[in-house]
Amino acid sequence: DAKTTQPNSMESNEEEPVHLPCNHSTISGTDYIHWYRQLPSQGPEYVIHGLTSNVNNRMASLAIAEDRKSSTLILHRATLRDAAVYYCILNKAGGAQKLVFGQGTRLTINP
Amino acid sequence: ETGVTQTPRHLVMGMTNKKSLKCEQHLGHNAMYWYKQSAKKPLELMFVYNFKEQTENNSVPSRFSPECPNSSHLFLHLHTLQPEDSALYLCASSRGLAGVEQYFGPGTRLTVT
Repeated sequence: DAKTTQPNSMESNEEEPVHLPCNHSTISGTDYIHWYRQLPSQGPEYVIHGLTSNVNNRMASLAIAEDRKSSTLILHRATLRDAAVYYCILNKAGGAQKLVFGQGTRLTINP
Repeated sequence: ETGVTQTPRHLVMGMTNKKSLKCEQHLGHNAMYWYKQSAKKPLELMFVYNFKEQTENNSVPSRFSPECPNSSHLFLHLHTLQPEDSALYLCASSRGLAGVEQYFGPGTRLTVT
């Protein structure tokens, strides 16, 4: 399975944009890029996913590099509620759903 | 509220006890999953069920026994557990198996004494 690399932790301020990077240099053509987050004392929560094009939803935006070897999750205006561990995961299209979680990035939001 | 509920939320059991964890999804999904999250370790996939049939067993010890009577319910039967089995057990569901998002429950915090 292709692996992802994320910084262990990041810190940002409330109401500012946050850019969470993820490297996946061994990504294959059929791998989707998924992002989940886990708030304290809760199960993981789906955030967004994409294949090649940038994606937007009500929670965040996903910017995917042209060579697909990296991606960035963008929180446009962070709130205290966005403090969580963010996971970048590759998952093959058309195959068994097998999310392999790494250590993720622990995001701290300062008031 | 994700549409996936788990009971109990907390469980303390001795090594000789038998207990069961329950998961129910109200989303009309057909795939369900059990994950384990130990302290300071990444989430680990344990089992996958699709339309009540087990499609994945990630080398889980036999003291963990899953059961999926229908697409909405998933159980994890526990017996003769070890202290190192103490962890957060998470259930998830998805619309299918291929590349779609999973919805997680809040988890059961299990402590084995």
